[in-house]
Amino acid sequence: GAGVSQSPSNKVTEKGKDVELRCDPISGHTALYWYRQSLGQGLEFLIYFQGNSAPDKSGLPSDRFSAERTGGSVSTLTIQRTQQEDSAVYLCASAPRGDTQYFGPGTRLTVL
Amino acid sequence: GESVGLHLPTLSVQEGDNSIINCAYSNSASDYFIWYKQESGKGPQFIIDIRSNMDKRQGQRVTVLLNKTVKHLSLQIAATQPGDSAVYFCAETSAGANSKLTFGKGITLSVRP
Repeated sequence: GAGVSQSPSNKVTEKGKDVELRCDPISGHTALYWYRQSLGQGLEFLIYFQGNSAPDKSGLPSDRFSAERTGGSVSTLTIQRTQQEDSAVYLCASAPRGDTQYFGPGTRLTVL
Repeated sequence: GESVGLHLPTLSVQEGDNSIINCAYSNSASDYFIWYKQESGKGPQFIIDIRSNMDKRQGQRVTVLLNKTVKHLSLQIAATQPGDSAVYFCAETSAGANSKLTFGKGITLSVRP
């Protein structure tokens, strides 16, 4: 079956522009997560959606970052007024309730 | 604050040897631990997990050991192969599997032919 997919795979943008990153989770997975991975670093939690519950936004680094999940499936991470320090790989993961998270291939964001 | 860390940044092993990757965690409330493998340009791939009510779990060629007394986690890979070359991350959560993970920085495993 299909795994977690993310688009685009690469995104180059200019400082100050807004970007949208998309995640398609595994069908039937109720939980969806966004993480950020800077070069040579581990993964940093950003936001977590579980079913119809209010999302856990505790990892979002600033109010320029937001995410939504429509219909309990696809999620979009939006970064407004991008800065160079936003350059990283943005990873999405999904999980069935109470089970292991499975990751997508990530979107590599480069802010010039 | 709480953290999950790996003892060594790189590990080089001979093909066919066993590999041991170690990880320390500081959150005594952690109850679920996972090892992920990440190859270049790809997302992390689940290898094996263990819950805090266990101290050992085995998979295919991999074994995870958990020592809650000293808050230490290890991943053992038997008969290491070139395809095992990757970055390995330990991750933990204190609220069960369906919760945000705290990751260590990662260790690079390099397998010499």
